[in-house]
Amino acid sequence: ETGVTQSPTHLIKTRGQQVTLRCSSQSGHNTVSWYQQALGQGPQFIFQYYREEENGRGNFPPRFSGLQFPNYSSELNVNALELDDSALYLCASSGGQTSYEQYFGPGTRLTVT
Amino acid sequence: GESVGLHLPTLSVQEGDNSIINCAYSNSASDYFIWYKQESGKGPQFIIDIRSNMDKRQGQRVTVLLNKTVKHLSLQIAATQPGDSAVYFCAENNGNQGGKLIFGQGTELSVKP
Repeated sequence: ETGVTQSPTHLIKTRGQQVTLRCSSQSGHNTVSWYQQALGQGPQFIFQYYREEENGRGNFPPRFSGLQFPNYSSELNVNALELDDSALYLCASSGGQTSYEQYFGPGTRLTVT
Repeated sequence: GESVGLHLPTLSVQEGDNSIINCAYSNSASDYFIWYKQESGKGPQFIIDIRSNMDKRQGQRVTVLLNKTVKHLSLQIAATQPGDSAVYFCAENNGNQGGKLIFGQGTELSVKP
């Protein structure tokens, strides 16, 4: 176990709705990265937060947004859900802004109908 | 463009045999590489990493080899066990991109008893 937790485990939403996913980082880690993993594919980087600031963003539209809190936990928010947003959303924590070792949580399975 | 790819999408081996999973990367500036194991319904699990100033690194039953000349990475698993059955991803991190990990598509390893 990595010590990274995510909630909820599964979620079903309707197209056009909004969703918030949550992540608690491993103790001592101040950096959280979010990834989207479509079925049968490798994870795709969404963005990273370091000490409550966004520290890099992948090729995702602005309706994907995030937050990091003083305790280093994080949220991923997705507005105006589309069917293609159905995926496993993974959170990874690491020990610094450029720390390469990232430890993943179990993920949240989002289904958009 | 940037990409990390795998030569074989599936690999089937007999229990006790050695497994070799290959990966090609395209960004010659990448300086850090990681192998992850992902079991069904779980997040990626860190296996082993290697920096670009190394050619080989060994862990418990696993060895990672890096050939920068041909931009190739491999994961060797000794005495493969049924518990090794999973999807294996290689990922690269270019230090200039902060904490962004670029994942390949993955190789599914199946171990026959």
